[in-house]
Amino acid sequence: GQQLNQSPQSMFIQEGEDVSMNCTSSSIFNTWLWYKQDPGEGPVLLIALYKAGELTSNGRLTAQFGITRKDSFLNISASIPSDVGIYFCAGPLTSGTYKYIFGTGTRLKVLA
Amino acid sequence: NAGVTQTPKFQVLKTGQSMTLQCAQDMNHEYMSWYRQDPGMGLRLIHYSVGAGITDQGEVPNGYNVSRSTTEDFPLRLLSAAPSQTSVYFCASSSYRGMNTEAFFGQGTRLTVV
Repeated sequence: GQQLNQSPQSMFIQEGEDVSMNCTSSSIFNTWLWYKQDPGEGPVLLIALYKAGELTSNGRLTAQFGITRKDSFLNISASIPSDVGIYFCAGPLTSGTYKYIFGTGTRLKVLA
Repeated sequence: NAGVTQTPKFQVLKTGQSMTLQCAQDMNHEYMSWYRQDPGMGLRLIHYSVGAGITDQGEVPNGYNVSRSTTEDFPLRLLSAAPSQTSVYFCASSSYRGMNTEAFFGQGTRLTVV
């Protein structure tokens, strides 16, 4: 079945550094969603992407929908301690449906 | 804004017991789903519903039942709990606007089966 692979699995960074992570799929996706999960909480939507090549920002976060439609990237600029958490990519199993699959997540730890 | 509400937040069950995890949303979303989250495996879809009276299986449905009698509620039933069902369970709801959709999650139910 379809899988979403995220890398890196985890990362430690210094406060103020920029962070990059990516998500790749074995199949084409028409929608990419990026979520953040804080400890003990449910995932919260950060950015939604609906068009190949699309670049969308949300504050210090920028995400891109890859041209091949098989990947997506998330960048965080000037990281701060509250960026700690797990970042998930997600996409619909079948285009136009509500059935999402999620990546395994990138765990981010920020050192003050 | 309540959004998606899950109860209970924590639960410990003995093997073989049954229970129902509750999920309610107040956004009038037609689509609701249940996921389980295990360490290192992201979220996996258990069951989902595209509207009242309509449910279907996700990736890992075995051992779970669902029903959708109203738009607001989507309970998840464990028929006979097993240690392999120890996990964190998330309920989500979403709605389409054109071709665009975004899922909103509850805070989760942490279940331990001993």
